[in-house]
Amino acid sequence: AQSVTQLDSQVPVFEEAPVELRCNYSSSVSVYLFWYVQYPNQGLQLLLKYLSGSTLVKGINGFEAEFNKSQTSFHLRKPSVHISDTAEYFCAVSVKAAGNKLTFGGGTRVLVKP
Amino acid sequence: DAGVTQSPTHLIKTRGQQVTLRCSPKSGHDTVSWYQQALGQGPQFIFQYYEEEERQRGNFPDRFSGHQFPNYSSELNVNALLLGDSALYLCASSFFVGGLVYGYTFGSGTRLTVV
Repeated sequence: AQSVTQLDSQVPVFEEAPVELRCNYSSSVSVYLFWYVQYPNQGLQLLLKYLSGSTLVKGINGFEAEFNKSQTSFHLRKPSVHISDTAEYFCAVSVKAAGNKLTFGGGTRVLVKP
Repeated sequence: DAGVTQSPTHLIKTRGQQVTLRCSPKSGHDTVSWYQQALGQGPQFIFQYYEEEERQRGNFPDRFSGHQFPNYSSELNVNALLLGDSALYLCASSFFVGGLVYGYTFGSGTRLTVV
């Protein structure tokens, strides 16, 4: 079975500063990797995904993530955050053999301060 | 183009009661998955429906059941509600090709409170 660990439950950051959210996964087979954002009282919105190819993936709203197979990591970064980036961020994996069900991490709450 | 629609948005039920949540998938999608998100946690996979059949199931008791209709919409039923069933229930639609699921799109969820 696969699992996802998000190492930081909360990340406070000042506006216009960079942010990195850490995600590590465990799986015995190849995985697809995702980052989702959840704003208060809303569902999940896909930020970016890694299926294959280039290990550096660019997503919406200026976010990017890098897949590192040797370290089984998929960290999310943004060079300059805005107040509107305040939200909960979830890393998720899916396995082809498991019919693509998503396994999520526990989430990282990002609080952007002015 | 409407995305994934869930109803109702909020619901309050009493322990022991039964509840039905509904989901209409995004146009062009034929697969529906349900997730439970407890407060402060990541979503947990409940089950997935394709061609009106349950294709996969997560680690949830039989009190959780579902259905998919010919128009691809889906229902999630929970019997004998427990306080611990209080959560945000998310529906995700997608399309199924060659054994893989593509285009996962989530609805805004139904907030269920059991008192």
